[in-house]
Amino acid sequence: DTAVSQTPKYLVTQMGNDKSIKCEQNLGHDTMYWYKQDSKKFLKIMFSYNNKELIINETVPNRFSPKSPDKAHLNLHINSLELGDSAVYFCASSEEGWRRSYNEQFFGPGTRLTVL
Amino acid sequence: AQSVTQLDSHVSVSEGTPVLLRCNYSSSYSPSLFWYVQHPNKGLQLLLKYTSAATLVKGINGFEAEFKKSETSFHLTKPSAHMSDAAEYFCVVSDQDNFNKFYFGSGTKLNVKP
Repeated sequence: DTAVSQTPKYLVTQMGNDKSIKCEQNLGHDTMYWYKQDSKKFLKIMFSYNNKELIINETVPNRFSPKSPDKAHLNLHINSLELGDSAVYFCASSEEGWRRSYNEQFFGPGTRLTVL
Repeated sequence: AQSVTQLDSHVSVSEGTPVLLRCNYSSSYSPSLFWYVQHPNKGLQLLLKYTSAATLVKGINGFEAEFKKSETSFHLTKPSAHMSDAAEYFCVVSDQDNFNKFYFGSGTKLNVKP
């Protein structure tokens, strides 16, 4: 059973399109995250939700909009895709992440987005 | 503000020899520190974590790390490298004042030669 799953695994699309990436965790965690990993492997947090409430919102273009229908799901919608959005996007979850700094984050397998 | 510096972007060792991946952190208080591994085209897997208990932390696959406050370091070691250890390794510090935000180091790519 996959703990943190993401769909799709690969996404190839044209500039200007709108796309979504879905994330689900079956660990019963309260907190979920989206990270972007660039071509140099650098990982940076984008958003975090705790029990469907946005708690971390980094300096990310407002073309990116996270949505959390329930605490087990955190989806990422991207409008008007640009070449620079090409990256690997990772979803993660943790137990009471925002209150317990020692709680590790569990990562999904990643979604490789390529914008042409 | 928290930050992490991984001093080596690439490390190459021979199979059976020791591994040392260096990490220094900056934190305004006693931090929580983690090491994650990423195999090619895979997600990130937790190797070990430090949470202010024992300063020498043992992880999976024979890895361990020692927290040294005086040196602000959290270096990752393994006595004997295996071919399957070839991967990208990330040192991470969490920010308890900012909703447990993770700050990742830039990563160290470990190459293991036969």
